Amino acid sequence: NAGVTQTPKFQVLKTGQSMTLQCAQDMNHEYMSWYRQDPGMGLRLIHYSVGAGITDQGEVPNGYNVSRSTTEDFPLRLLSAAPSQTSVYFCASSKGQGAGNTIYFGEGSWLTVV
Amino acid sequence: AQTVTQSQPEMSVQEAETVTLSCTYDTSESDYYLFWYKQPPSRQMILVIRQEAYKQQNATENRFSVNFQKAAKSFSLKISDSQLGDAAMYFCAYRRANAGGTSYGKLTFGQGTILTVHP
Repeated sequence: NAGVTQTPKFQVLKTGQSMTLQCAQDMNHEYMSWYRQDPGMGLRLIHYSVGAGITDQGEVPNGYNVSRSTTEDFPLRLLSAAPSQTSVYFCASSKGQGAGNTIYFGEGSWLTVV
Repeated sequence: AQTVTQSQPEMSVQEAETVTLSCTYDTSESDYYLFWYKQPPSRQMILVIRQEAYKQQNATENRFSVNFQKAAKSFSLKISDSQLGDAAMYFCAYRRANAGGTSYGKLTFGQGTILTVHP
């Protein structure tokens, strides 16, 4: 029962470096998404995907890229890391977009940009 | 756009007592779901309870219950017989039920309330 798996759990980056946060789910879910959590702001949607080959922007997409080449994987790429991207990142998936579908979260990835 | 507001940054309760966490939201939709998530220090997101807007009956899950007031757009969480393990950050969240648009599927979160449980 892997569910939603995120790697790495912790990462320190230097300003300007690039990296990829990996997300994989084994539940054959069509809908996947990335959120970031900042103090006092709850979780905010970065990007989402409704199926392989289809991605779209959420409310805070700047500085991030995503792709969805398979149903299982939804990596989040930081193109040129900035201190403002220091945050906890959550990948989430659900069978569909409908609100009745349970959302499953990964355990989070703590990213610090120095 | 939908917004979710949690006006209590921190709350505290004595073990075995009852505490209520507040949440208000704004939406023009008539069909949606509301959720309470618990986030312990491990940062794991745990679904506590959910409410479907078209159901008038308030949802309950063991010691957790909600007071859903659709007209007032209010969705509070009551924790009865509080336990030390209930200490966590609690998030209220909203999700549209009607298909279409860029926000379909998105969870909109409140700012969170930190709950401390005193022994």
